[in-house]
Amino acid sequence: DAKTTQPPSMDCAEGRAANLPCNHSTISGNEYVYWYRQIHSQGPQYIIHGLKNNETNEMASLIITEDRKSSTLILPHATLRDTAVYYCIVRVGISNYKLTFGKGTLLTVNP
Amino acid sequence: KAGVTQTPRYLIKTRGQQVTLSCSPISGHRSVSWYQQTPGQGLQFLFEYFSETQRNKGNFPGRFSGRQFSNSRSEMNVSTLELGDSALYLCASSSDRTSSYNSPLHFGNGTRLTVT
Repeated sequence: DAKTTQPPSMDCAEGRAANLPCNHSTISGNEYVYWYRQIHSQGPQYIIHGLKNNETNEMASLIITEDRKSSTLILPHATLRDTAVYYCIVRVGISNYKLTFGKGTLLTVNP
Repeated sequence: KAGVTQTPRYLIKTRGQQVTLSCSPISGHRSVSWYQQTPGQGLQFLFEYFSETQRNKGNFPGRFSGRQFSNSRSEMNVSTLELGDSALYLCASSSDRTSSYNSPLHFGNGTRLTVT
């Protein structure tokens, strides 16, 4: 699986958009980008995933660059409950049972 | 739709004992995988079951084992517990159907195991 690089921590003001970057410069053509988050003492929560097109769901938007070497997760209106560790994972879609989690980005949303 | 359910939520055991953790996947999901999370090592893959068969295994000793039942529910067993086994054990399920092979994993909230 391709390696991902994320900043260790970020801050965001409540109500503002949170933009979390992820670098995956060695991504292969058939690898998907997944985003999960983990709030303290809970299991990782699936947020969104994509291959090459931008994706949006009720939680967030995923913007993948044209060369697919990086992506950005956007939480449009961050709330205090969005404070969590966010993981960017790259994985071949088939049999995605084994996800390799890095250290992620600790996003702190401040009032 | 109910999410992944893990029981018990917390467990305290003594070194040398054994423990069994339970996981009920999302209805219709046939793939169940297990992860161990510790502050030092982060999230690490233990093994994955599909249709009652272990398909893949991570790099853990044989003391860690599991099984899956015909209703897709899964159990994980750790024998001869060591202090280093203290961790959050997470179960995840996915549909793993060919038509949706990129279906994401959905995690439960885990079982917090403390070995004293």
